[in-house]
Amino acid sequence: DAGVIQSPRHEVTEMGQEVTLRCKPISGHDYLFWYRQTMMRGLELLIYFNNNVPIDDSGMPEDRFSAKMPNASFSTLKIQPSEPRDSAVYFCASSLAGGLGTTEAFFGQGTRLTVV
Amino acid sequence: GESVGLHLPTLSVQEGDNSIINCAYSNSASDYFIWYKQESGKGPQFIIDIRSNMDKRQGQRVTVLLNKTVKHLSLQIAATQPGDSAVYFCAENRHEKGNTPLVFGKGTRLSVIA
Repeated sequence: DAGVIQSPRHEVTEMGQEVTLRCKPISGHDYLFWYRQTMMRGLELLIYFNNNVPIDDSGMPEDRFSAKMPNASFSTLKIQPSEPRDSAVYFCASSLAGGLGTTEAFFGQGTRLTVV
Repeated sequence: GESVGLHLPTLSVQEGDNSIINCAYSNSASDYFIWYKQESGKGPQFIIDIRSNMDKRQGQRVTVLLNKTVKHLSLQIAATQPGDSAVYFCAENRHEKGNTPLVFGKGTRLSVIA
């Protein structure tokens, strides 16, 4: 498996524009997580899905942020409208269900978003 | 391994020496812990994990120690190499009821001096 795949790797956009980040989780994984990383706040969980259903979106900073998972192999994180303070690296991660097995989350390479 | 303001704590070690990176976790109900390594421009990468029914686990050149009494986790790297230079994060979660998301510490930067 190629691992978690995110696109684009880098995104530069103007304030007010819509931004869509994409993620393809590892095949067979039933959990998908969106994290945001900044120097100030470190790695923060934004939202996570189990079997394509959003479980907890309490980490989504504002209504400008939305996430979808239309099927088991694809998820998007959308920011509309974007603001300079949204500039960060956004990571997608996936994992298997909990229990006695190994369930660490596997991370993608991230999307570096810069809003000017 | 907790952050201070905007700056990550940094550990500088000589190549060949052993490194010890510490982490204080927050939730006494956490039962699963992971150390991740993050190199510049990359996503966090799994190093080693440990469950709460253990207090020590060894991998290749790495050892994780868990002290549940004081909620402390440490990562020991033997014979540190230049390729070990990265930011190291501890993460915790609960598996008791399903798979809760990982909660990450702020990270510690390891700098290896050749």
